Amino acid sequence: DSGVTQTPKHLITATGQRVTLRCSPRSGDLSVYWYQQSLDQGLQFLIQYYNGEERAKGNILERFSAQQFPDLHSELNLSSLELGDSALYFCASSTTGQGWASPLHFGNGTRLTVT
Amino acid sequence: AQKVTQAQTEISVVEKEDVTLDCVYETRDTTYYLFWYKQPPSGELVFLIRRNSFDEQNEISGRYSWNFQKSTSSFNFTITASQVVDSAVYFCALSGPGGTSYGKLTFGQGTILTVHP
Repeated sequence: DSGVTQTPKHLITATGQRVTLRCSPRSGDLSVYWYQQSLDQGLQFLIQYYNGEERAKGNILERFSAQQFPDLHSELNLSSLELGDSALYFCASSTTGQGWASPLHFGNGTRLTVT
Repeated sequence: AQKVTQAQTEISVVEKEDVTLDCVYETRDTTYYLFWYKQPPSGELVFLIRRNSFDEQNEISGRYSWNFQKSTSSFNFTITASQVVDSAVYFCALSGPGGTSYGKLTFGQGTILTVHP
């Protein structure tokens, strides 16, 4: 158990809808990262937050947004969903803001299916 | 730009065989970290090892060992006496501070390892 909690585990929704994925980092970790895993793109970095502030941005679509709250949990909002957004979304956390040096501890992921 | 290549898409072995998973990387950073992660059938990503670019010592942890060779930009992973429970997808990943790569792990495409009883 990595200590990172993601909810829900599974999400099935229709195209055009909006969903929110939630992540609670390990106790003591200040950084939260979101990754998307799909068959065609593999594991792709989306965005990182450190102590409430956006720290780094990857291949995140404009339809997607994220935030980290004062209690350090994070939410990833996906809107105007398309079939191609179907993927496994991982949240990870680390102690420091230097994500490039710290091992990331991943949650179990949220499997999103867009129909 | 950073890139990680895992040339072996799938490997199939019989229990107790040794197996080596290859990883080759590209980066312009002089300081960087390399990682291996395991993704079992249940889907979670499990951290296995982190190695920084200045430490070329090989590492052994039980049946697992890692061989880092900066000269060939490789970070290979060997499982000795494989077991059925080793069946999983294994990812090699790279991170560094440079430019747009800051804060992210660049993953290889993964190697599917199947260990047959």
